[in-house]
Amino acid sequence: NAGVTQTPKFQVLKTGQSMTLQCAQDMNHNSMYWYRQDPGMGLRLIYYSASEGTTDKGEVPNGYNVSRLNKREFSLRLESAAPSQTSVYFCASTRTPETGELFFGEGSRLTVL
Amino acid sequence: QQQVKQSPQSLIVQKGGISIINCAYENTAFDYFPWYQQFPGKGPALLIAIRPDVSEKKEGRFTISFNKSAKQFSLHIMDSQPGDSATYFCAASNTGGFKTIFGAGTRLFVKA
Repeated sequence: NAGVTQTPKFQVLKTGQSMTLQCAQDMNHNSMYWYRQDPGMGLRLIYYSASEGTTDKGEVPNGYNVSRLNKREFSLRLESAAPSQTSVYFCASTRTPETGELFFGEGSRLTVL
Repeated sequence: QQQVKQSPQSLIVQKGGISIINCAYENTAFDYFPWYQQFPGKGPALLIAIRPDVSEKKEGRFTISFNKSAKQFSLHIMDSQPGDSATYFCAASNTGGFKTIFGAGTRLFVKA
């Protein structure tokens, strides 16, 4: 099983450019999440989708938008990238929130110049 | 505001020694406390987790100790091995909620 797959793995943007990070899971999970990881900050929740058709803000949603395209796919869009959005982005999924365990992708490293 | 505080930031342990990482939380509604292990270039993966109805959970060389009254929990790695060298994150969430809060992480290096 591939689990959670993220693309691209690496991306360099200039300030003001836009891009979309793609995420797909093949575990038939209901809930999906986008986190960012910064040194000394742990992982912080950007947006989540409790189930297909719903999305909600996490701790740090400003500057991002998301789309739950279907049960498998959850994308993260940066409309106008800023240097403060330089980070490693992780997509994750859970079967249900009651099960607790987050399954993570391998991450997308984004640099904004 | 950080709701889960993790220490130390980094830890160096000799092979065969005990690694101890501590976390403290604030929100008493939390009822699920996982530890995630992350190797360089990879995503975090669940290592072990505990719910507050027990004070200790052991899986192989990994043990979580949980102190509900102090709102603290810790990860103990017995007989630490070089292959345990990784970053460890504690976390907390509440059942039915969607927001897992992570600690800042501890970089563990086990010297051979």
